[in-house]
Amino acid sequence: AQSVTQPDIHITVSEGASLELRCNYSYGATPYLFWYVQSPGQGLQLLLKYFSGDTLVQGIKGFEAEFKRSQSSFNLRKPSVHWSDAAEYFCAVGADKLSFGAGTTVTVRA
Amino acid sequence: SAVISQKPSRDICQRGTSLTIQCQVDSQVTMMFWYRQQPGQSLTLIATANQGSEATYESGFVIDKFPISRPNLTFSTLTVSNMSPEDSSIYLCSVDRAGLGTEAFFGQGTRLTVV
Repeated sequence: AQSVTQPDIHITVSEGASLELRCNYSYGATPYLFWYVQSPGQGLQLLLKYFSGDTLVQGIKGFEAEFKRSQSSFNLRKPSVHWSDAAEYFCAVGADKLSFGAGTTVTVRA
Repeated sequence: SAVISQKPSRDICQRGTSLTIQCQVDSQVTMMFWYRQQPGQSLTLIATANQGSEATYESGFVIDKFPISRPNLTFSTLTVSNMSPEDSSIYLCSVDRAGLGTEAFFGQGTRLTVV
């Protein structure tokens, strides 16, 4: 069975500071991993994905994520957060149908 | 990327009625998926819709409650039947254009409130 754990329900970060969101997965084979962002009242936007190759993946909006098989992790990072990054972030795993984590709410303070 | 249009974007419905949500994709796709996002919750897969075959439902979801149609490779509908307030959620359509799990895109969702 596939599953995702996002240990942090809510993170508050200052604008300009770095951000790291944790994601741990359980999957029986080589995982396809995704990070999505959902702004208030909006749909899901794909930030980045990993399914093979370089374990450091670059995405949109300055985000990157690193796949670590030994730790079953796919943590999302951004070096310098902007106020517009305040949103809900979901990690997901799956080869076609996806299993989502519970999400992490990011609040950005001025 | 794939452009996915969902209709309606939101609706308020009376309990006991049904609502059909439409999902239109700008290109042919193998698989289409329907998810539910209950208030303050993550996304849960309802079913997978493949063209030309019956939808495959996940545990906890049944066809009588959530009938799905997939008449062609660019369109699908999800009906929420005999609604109750517990059905108030965001319903999202998703497509996997490549059929390889490498491209998963979502529509903007349908925000349903049942009163």
